[in-house]
Amino acid sequence: QVQLVQSGAEVRRAGSSVKVSCKASGGTFGNYAITWVRQAPGQGFEWMGGIIPIFGTANYALKFQGRVTITADDSKSTVYMELISLRSEDTAVYYCAREMGCFSGDCHFVFDYWGQGSLVTVSS
Amino acid sequence: EIVLTQSPGTLSLSPGERATLSCRASQSVSSTSLGWYQQKPGQAPRLLIYGASTRAAGIPDRFSASGSGTHFTLTISRLEPEDFAVYYCQQYDTSRTFGQGTKVEIK
Repeated sequence: QVQLVQSGAEVRRAGSSVKVSCKASGGTFGNYAITWVRQAPGQGFEWMGGIIPIFGTANYALKFQGRVTITADDSKSTVYMELISLRSEDTAVYYCAREMGCFSGDCHFVFDYWGQGSLVTVSS
Repeated sequence: EIVLTQSPGTLSLSPGERATLSCRASQSVSSTSLGWYQQKPGQAPRLLIYGASTRAAGIPDRFSASGSGTHFTLTISRLEPEDFAVYYCQQYDTSRTFGQGTKVEIK
C-alpha cells in the first residue's frame, strides 16, 4: 500500500521560506509524479507543481513560478517543496499527492494517494 | 486558466436520498480529463472518479459520474451516513484546477 508521510507543522514569519518533505513508501517511488497541492483555511485546492523523481525535472503552476522549488531525493524516497518570500496568504495545509499518470497512452493526472497534510502558518 | 464552478454550494439531504452535484467549466474540458474527490473534516481528499466517469479503486457503485465539454455531474444514488462530506471536481485538461466544492450535509 502506498503511503506518503509529510513533515510536521511549521510557523514562519512573512518574508521567510519553508521547506516541507514528503516520504513515500510501499510503491515504486521514482516512476510516478509527486505533486504539491495546498488548501487555505476553509478554501478549495490549488495545484502548485510536481516532479517525477526518475527524471528530476519539476513543473510548476504559473502562479507559483519563481517562488516554489520542488526537488526529489531518490535515495530517501522523499520529495521536498520549498516556498520562499512567504506572505500571510500562504497560510494553508500543504499536501503532497501521487499523480496517477499514464498507462498505455491513457493519461489521468488525478491524485490517487495523499499525504496527511502539513500546516504552514505565516505570521506578519 | 480553466475555472470550475460547482453547484450548489451546499446540498441538504437525508440518508437514502439521491445527491446530484454539478461542475461547470469556463471552457471545454476533454471528456477524459475530469476527476472528483471527497473530503471529510481534518482529512486529505479521497479520489472517487477519474476520466469523468471511471470509479477509482474501492469506490462503491452508488457513486457515478458523467459529463462532457463544460458540464459534469457526480451522482450518489443513495446517501449513506459516511457520504456526508465536501466534494470537489478537478480538471487536468490544461494544467490542474479544482472547483470550490459542494458540501453535502445532513438535513
